[in-house]
Amino acid sequence: EDKVVQSPLSLVVHEGDTVTLNCSYEVTNFRSLLWYKQEKKAPTFLFMLTSSGIEKKSGRLSSILDKKELFSILNITATQTGDSAVYLCAVASFEVDSNYQLIWGAGTKLIIKP
Amino acid sequence: DGGITQSPKYLFRKEGQNVTLSCEQNLNHDAMYWYRQDPGQGLRLIYYSQIVNDFQKGDIAEGYSVSREKKESFPLTVTSAQKNPTAFYLCASRPELNEKLFFGSGTQLSVL
Repeated sequence: EDKVVQSPLSLVVHEGDTVTLNCSYEVTNFRSLLWYKQEKKAPTFLFMLTSSGIEKKSGRLSSILDKKELFSILNITATQTGDSAVYLCAVASFEVDSNYQLIWGAGTKLIIKP
Repeated sequence: DGGITQSPKYLFRKEGQNVTLSCEQNLNHDAMYWYRQDPGQGLRLIYYSQIVNDFQKGDIAEGYSVSREKKESFPLTVTSAQKNPTAFYLCASRPELNEKLFFGSGTQLSVL
């Protein structure tokens, strides 16, 4: 059965710290891995990763995928209170003659203390 | 502005009542999805639709129903058969040939 596992489930750090969130997966017909940030309502898109070893970066956030070891990490440097959110990881798969599937992890709840 | 609109933001259901959650998009996306989110859990797929007049059950379809009469609209009905409906419901759409989902702001459904 396909699965996506995120760790840790929750994390509390102080403002200015650097955090690393993990996402491991076992998914057949892997197509891409996506990261979303959910503050209170709608998840907002952060990154989509398809190739191993190529870092994607947006400001203080960065992410990389390892397709050999089947995991991705999301790094946030110099954290701010506005980074407090649930970070969701999802893996997209496409099967022959079947529909697109998106398998979600349970999320990591990140709390940044001032 | 293009986007996905869900309404209402908050909804209360009485025992034995059916309620309908609205989802409208003006992104011209063919695929639309309904997810349920419980506290501390990830997103679970209820129903999805790849094209107008067609939809498929997701992982937790029991107690729910949908329709897709127009490309822009994908309403979800929570029926009285759903015994534990309290949750946050998210609607999403996806452009063709792209894995990225676009989400609405969600509806929090509670039982009175």
